[in-house]
Amino acid sequence: NAGVTQTPKFRILKIGQSMTLQCAQDMNHNYMYWYRQDPGMGLKLIYYSVGAGITDKGEVPNGYNVSRSTTEDFPLRLELAAPSQTSVYFCASSPGLAGELAKNIQYFGAGTRLSVL
Amino acid sequence: AQSVTQLDSQVPVFEEAPVELRCNYSSSVSVYLFWYVQYPNQGLQLLLKYLSGSTLVKSINGFEAEFNKSQTSFHLRKPSVHISDTAEYFCAAQDRRNSGGSNYKLTFGKGTLLTVNP
Repeated sequence: NAGVTQTPKFRILKIGQSMTLQCAQDMNHNYMYWYRQDPGMGLKLIYYSVGAGITDKGEVPNGYNVSRSTTEDFPLRLELAAPSQTSVYFCASSPGLAGELAKNIQYFGAGTRLSVL
Repeated sequence: AQSVTQLDSQVPVFEEAPVELRCNYSSSVSVYLFWYVQYPNQGLQLLLKYLSGSTLVKSINGFEAEFNKSQTSFHLRKPSVHISDTAEYFCAAQDRRNSGGSNYKLTFGKGTLLTVNP
């Protein structure tokens, strides 16, 4: 049972470099999310998607981009890495069942730890 | 807008002692409430949830939380903790209104690190 798979687990970037954090889920979930977790700050929503081809901004979208070409994949792109983007990034998914909001539990990947130096 | 406040950033306890992790929420609408647990170097896992009905909800590993509408609280308790309960615990809220994709978003508290010592 793979669930939500994130790659890579760790990455170090130099300022100005770009990279893509990969996220894939095998549960046929409609909804997918990207969060960042900073020490003592909880999780902040970066972007989310309600289905293939549909994405929307969360609380902290600046400096990031996403795409959702398939149900399974939801990559997060950093175009010009900055030290402020040093964080742990979590991808999550939920079923997105119409009319059954209460069943839309979010399932999380193991995270990507990113350092920008 | 919703907000979730976890009043303690760290809670150290001894093994077999009781523990309470506090969570208060603020929202202009009714919400669903959740507790997630994050073990070291892992992602978040759902621990328990309050959706409707009985205000006391329980997990399979002995945790329980009680929804208190008048105090807007959802505190997490366990009568006797184990070393393996050492983790960070996050309280989260979700808008109950089923009016679009944005309402599937969770608002998280800042987390409480529970450390169980022998």
